[in-house]
Amino acid sequence: DTAVSQTPKYLVTQMGNDKSIKCEQNLGHDTMYWYKQDSKKFLKIMFSYNNKELIINETVPNRFSPKSPDKAHLNLHINSLELGDSAVYFCASSNSRKNEQYFGPGTRLTVT
Amino acid sequence: GDSVTQMEGPVTLSEEAFLTINCTYTATGYPSLFWYVQYPGEGLQLLLKATKADDKGSNKGFEATYRKETTSFHLEKGSVQVSDSAVYFCALYSGGGADGLTFGKGTHLIIQP
Repeated sequence: DTAVSQTPKYLVTQMGNDKSIKCEQNLGHDTMYWYKQDSKKFLKIMFSYNNKELIINETVPNRFSPKSPDKAHLNLHINSLELGDSAVYFCASSNSRKNEQYFGPGTRLTVT
Repeated sequence: GDSVTQMEGPVTLSEEAFLTINCTYTATGYPSLFWYVQYPGEGLQLLLKATKADDKGSNKGFEATYRKETTSFHLEKGSVQVSDSAVYFCALYSGGGADGLTFGKGTHLIIQP
């Protein structure tokens, strides 16, 4: 009965590869997010998605693209991976943008 | 833009000590304020929240009061336990930017028995 789940938990890949991280929420929320946590544990919003409206943090490279097949899922696709993409990526969801967000367990991405 | 400033860590306390983790913010309008906790190897868990001035959020013995005049949301607990050891994040939502939460850098709390 996990509220927000992510797969995989760990992802190790080489530079230049394309990878995806999946996120699912069973809370009935209408808004989903992706955050990046760097090695110093600093968290930064990457995307928010609500009712087909995508809001992108201007600092996110266009190699990153979220895709939402339905309201319960927001997957993160990353093309041409770079060393600097190594981080922990968290998915989150909320019931409207103003309310508290619930986070998934994170995906640790390591690019070698 | 929005920003959140937290006290630097790590903060090391003995069990049963009083805890304060300072948090101040800069935001447009009237943001909602949150404290999240991250235990080792886990995701973030919502600890408490406050949505308007003078609101007090509380949970598991932790408290924080939304102080608009000082733009602060300090986290307090009267008697900490070893199990409270974690990283604590102060965050705000104001609807700006990419419309997600703006986080502080986190405070690593270590409680010694």
